[in-house]
Amino acid sequence: EVQLLESGGGLVQPGGSLRLSCAASGFTFSNYAMTWVRQVPGKGLEWVSSIQGNGNNIRYADSVKGRSTISRDNSKNTLYLQMNSVRADDTAVYYCAKGGWGSNFDFWGQGTRVTVSS
Amino acid sequence: QAVVTQESSLTVSPGGTVTLTCGSSTGVVTSEHYPHWFQQKPGQAPRTLIYDTINKHSWTPARFSGSLLGGKGALTLSGAQPEDEADYYCFLFYSGVFVFGGGTRLTVL
Repeated sequence: EVQLLESGGGLVQPGGSLRLSCAASGFTFSNYAMTWVRQVPGKGLEWVSSIQGNGNNIRYADSVKGRSTISRDNSKNTLYLQMNSVRADDTAVYYCAKGGWGSNFDFWGQGTRVTVSS
Repeated sequence: QAVVTQESSLTVSPGGTVTLTCGSSTGVVTSEHYPHWFQQKPGQAPRTLIYDTINKHSWTPARFSGSLLGGKGALTLSGAQPEDEADYYCFLFYSGVFVFGGGTRLTVL
């Protein structure tokens, strides 16, 4: 059974940093691209970033480019999103999803909530 | 950046048929945009229904189908059920990045 479990969300002050994690199980993690998607409460879904299975191909949405870093540790079956210089508009639920280039999106985690506020 | 457009809301009668569309500001949507469709119910994570235009996952109810229609991606629900009331999102692939549509709130009434 595929499982994706996000963690690391919480309250962070504007300008601060946090690292989100997504622990994956039930599939060969290194074989698949992974993606972060976020959702402002009451609003739509926004693609944030994707990373290829081997970590060699990475892309970001303009809204987070230069402030966020996606990475993965295939030995730990874990996906990360490092967020720096966070702003109020980064407040959202962050989902990790299995899929990206070369592989369709299928499974989603339950999300971790990030609130940026002083 | 491209903009993906969806109907903001639609209503379908129980047992009825409705088509949701997914348009692109860059022009015609093709299979090379790898359209995906997601369903999201209140308080839940999204669930993928359709990938790569027409393909269903094992959990996708047979009453949902994907296609290209009139230059757009399309999700057709045939025989709507009360449990199909939800928000539906599409996304399209553009040269390495993914763009979501704004979502369609589907009411079954």
